[in-house]
Amino acid sequence: AQTVTQSQPEMSVQEAETVTLSCTYDTSENNYYLFWYKQPPSRQMILVIRQEAYKQQNATENRFSVNFQKAAKSFSLKISDSQLGDTAMYFCAFGEYGNKLVFGAGTILRVKS
Amino acid sequence: KAGVTQTPRYLIKTRGQQVTLSCSPISGHRSVSWYQQTPGQGLQFLFEYFSETQRNKGNFPGRFSGRQFSNSRSEMNVSTLELGDSALYLCASSFGTGENSPLHFGNGTRLTVT
Repeated sequence: AQTVTQSQPEMSVQEAETVTLSCTYDTSENNYYLFWYKQPPSRQMILVIRQEAYKQQNATENRFSVNFQKAAKSFSLKISDSQLGDTAMYFCAFGEYGNKLVFGAGTILRVKS
Repeated sequence: KAGVTQTPRYLIKTRGQQVTLSCSPISGHRSVSWYQQTPGQGLQFLFEYFSETQRNKGNFPGRFSGRQFSNSRSEMNVSTLELGDSALYLCASSFGTGENSPLHFGNGTRLTVT
């Protein structure tokens, strides 16, 4: 069974600085996709960024980028120029078939002013 | 465009009762998935419906069931509630299924079982 591990339960960063959240996963499949979601106190899960496993190029969405290392099964999220609104729980998720996603335990990120 | 709407937002039930949660997907979305979120188990997949058919099911007992209507709205039902069913239940919709159809989540229904 696929598993997703987020080894950092909590992290904090100063406003305008850069922070990297770690994620590793385990699978024997070759075709899959990976996501980072954020969940602010409002509870709504919001898609931050996604990566298809067959693409070697790392995905980027404005201030958010990933470092996808397929051989190492690593999928870290880098947030540049951190903003107070980035404070949230961040979940790494793995998907192989349909919309059945396996989520990591999450990392609480606090952005300090 | 309206987002995913889940009703009710909060629900309190007692053990042994049953409960029905509702989810209205984004207009045009045909896939609806349900997830359970608890502090202990995290986010766990319950099931996915696409065009009224269950496509995938997570590892939950038969007390958890769902359905999808022709307008893509979905309901999930939990019968014979247990204390451990207390959780945030999240619904997510997407146009299709797979990596090219990212999930859009609702605000969830907070279920408390006493």
